[in-house]
Amino acid sequence: NAGVTQTPKFRVLKTGQSMTLLCAQDMNHEYMYWYRQDPGMGLRLIHYSVGEGTTAKGEVPDGYNVSRLKKQNFLLGLESAAPSQTSVYFCASSYEGGEIPNQPQHFGDGTRLSIL
Amino acid sequence: KQEVTQIPAALSVPEGENLVLNCSFTDSAIYNLQWFRQDPGKGLTSLLLIQSSQREQTSGRLNASLDKSSGRSTLYIAASQPGDSATYLCAVNLRGKLIFGQGTELSVKP
Repeated sequence: NAGVTQTPKFRVLKTGQSMTLLCAQDMNHEYMYWYRQDPGMGLRLIHYSVGEGTTAKGEVPDGYNVSRLKKQNFLLGLESAAPSQTSVYFCASSYEGGEIPNQPQHFGDGTRLSIL
Repeated sequence: KQEVTQIPAALSVPEGENLVLNCSFTDSAIYNLQWFRQDPGKGLTSLLLIQSSQREQTSGRLNASLDKSSGRSTLYIAASQPGDSATYLCAVNLRGKLIFGQGTELSVKP
């Protein structure tokens, strides 16, 4: 029972490099989310998706792009990494069967990203 | 702007004590409220979800209450154990988006 799987688990980048974080879920969930967690700031929503082929901005979207080409995968991209993007990134998913989202979100174990 | 506050930021108790963690929020127009547990270096595990129409939810030794009108939720942990040591986060669902508090770091001493 994999649930939500994030790869990689750790990564160190230099300023200006690009990379993609992958999130995969095997629960057939419609909704997927990317958060970042920083000391003193809590978890903040970066982008989210309400279904295959859809994406939307969250609270802190600048400097990130996302894609949801397949229902089970949600990719987070950093085109030109900056030290301010050093953080722990979490992916989550939820099953939503109605108009009002009311299902619990299931989280992956996170990706620890350092930008030098 | 919705703000979620958790008090205290850290709590240390001896094993066996009953304890209460607090969560307050400024916008009462929430869909639901969720309590999570986070172990060091790990992701979040959902503990309880209370719909906006509910007053409380129970799971084992955990009981969560919700008072939307006053913007408050509490997580009650009965007969605490060292294995309960973790950071506990509350999050409100505001129009489909989760807004998190900064968490309460709980340490239960044997």
